[in-house]
Amino acid sequence: KAGVTQTPRYLIKTRGQQVTLSCSPISGHRSVSWYQQTPGQGLQFLFEYFSETQRNKGNFPGRFSGRQFSNSRSEMNVSTLELGDSALYLCASSSGQGLYGYTFGSGTRLTVV
Amino acid sequence: AQTVTQSQPEMSVQEAETVTLSCTYDTSESDYYLFWYKQPPSRQMILVIRQEAYKQQNATENRFSVNFQKAAKSFSLKISDSQLGDAAMYFCAYTDDKIIFGKGTRLHILP
Repeated sequence: KAGVTQTPRYLIKTRGQQVTLSCSPISGHRSVSWYQQTPGQGLQFLFEYFSETQRNKGNFPGRFSGRQFSNSRSEMNVSTLELGDSALYLCASSSGQGLYGYTFGSGTRLTVV
Repeated sequence: AQTVTQSQPEMSVQEAETVTLSCTYDTSESDYYLFWYKQPPSRQMILVIRQEAYKQQNATENRFSVNFQKAAKSFSLKISDSQLGDAAMYFCAYTDDKIIFGKGTRLHILP
C-alpha cells in the first residue's frame, strides 16, 4: 500500500511569490491534515480536510489556504510568500478523525529567499 | 485550549539501556487519544504508540511502552534496550478533534 506522497520535496521561492504544495493520501483515507514545522515553533496545525470540506483550521493568516479534491488529494497554497514561511510542510492522512493515528508524508521543504 | 508539553528538549542514552521521555498535557476533555511519534533525519513522522484515554491499561509496542497517568495528565514514553536506530526527534501528541503536538525531544543514542 503506497504511503502519503508529497510533492515537491524541495522548493525555493522568492518573497512575494505564491506556492502550491500537493499531498496524495493513502488510498481510502478521506482526511488530510497539513502542518508547518519550524525549529522555533515546532509543529503547528494548518488545516484539515475531510471529504472535500475543511473540518478544522489553525491560527494562520488567510495567505494560507487549502483544498481537497474528490479523490482525497489535497493542495495547500501560500500566497505573497514571506521569509518566515520557510519551513517543512507536512501532510498527514487518516481514515477518519485520526483517532488511530495519522500517516505522514516526508514533507516539502520550502525556502523563501 | 489543549496544550502538550515536553520538558526535555534533548536526552542521551547508552545503547541497550532504557530511557524515559516525559510528556504532560492539559485538557478539559475526558475522551481523547494520545500518541508518540518519531521523526528521524529522513523527516518522515512515524507513529510509535497510541493510547486511548478511556483505557487504563498502558499501551505497549515491542520495546516501546507508555506510562499513562490520566489524573496527572502525564504520558511518558519508555524505550527499552535502546538501539542506534532509535535516534530521532520524539513528539508527544494529543487529539480529541485536531491533533496538537509538543515541541519534541531529541534523543541521542550513544554507542
